[in-house]
Amino acid sequence: DVKVTQSSRYLVKRTGEKVFLECVQDMDHENMFWYRQDPGLGLRLIYFSYDVKMKEKGDIPEGYSVSREKKERFSLILESASTNQTSMYLCASSLQGNPTDTQYFGPGTRLTVL
Amino acid sequence: DQQVKQNSPSLSVQEGRISILNCDYTNSMFDYFLWYKKYPAEGPTFLISISSIKDKNEDGRFTVFLNKSAKHLSLHIVPSQPGDSAVYFCAASDQGGSEKLVFGKGTKLTVNP
Repeated sequence: DVKVTQSSRYLVKRTGEKVFLECVQDMDHENMFWYRQDPGLGLRLIYFSYDVKMKEKGDIPEGYSVSREKKERFSLILESASTNQTSMYLCASSLQGNPTDTQYFGPGTRLTVL
Repeated sequence: DQQVKQNSPSLSVQEGRISILNCDYTNSMFDYFLWYKKYPAEGPTFLISISSIKDKNEDGRFTVFLNKSAKHLSLHIVPSQPGDSAVYFCAASDQGGSEKLVFGKGTKLTVNP
């Protein structure tokens, strides 16, 4: 079974803090993704990565950065957290080059920025 | 510009009846479509998918129908069960299910006992 884990289920931070959200997958997947989910807005892609040290912007990258130093780990960084970044953050991974495959999601991190 | 639209935020059905969740898309380059199910405080889980070369795909109680000319797909759940109560997301891709996906806003399904 594919397992995608996220470092925290719930996180509370202060405005202006630097926040790290970690995601690890154990299936040697090349692709990794970060989404945020907000009520009424669905899942929106923040960043994704097709390989180690590679990253591409998604639909809403502003205010975020990412790091992928190892294949199994993809980190989302909020350089200076703001209240509008309060959200559910979801990490996903997938195998490259298999169009009929799917993305596998972690359990999510509920981030509250006060 | 919303490329994948789920126009019904919520749907309520009785146990044992059919649930029909709808999804429309605007990008004619999309060639692979997926449905994910999400329970509160959990990540989405893959439910069923369909390639644009098909118009129907079945998996047990779940069937997805694709109408390419109308750029419309639907998910049928028959019979509906209380455990199906969740948020359902429609997603589309022009590269396959493992690559970049565009998600709809979701439909919250409630199945009443």
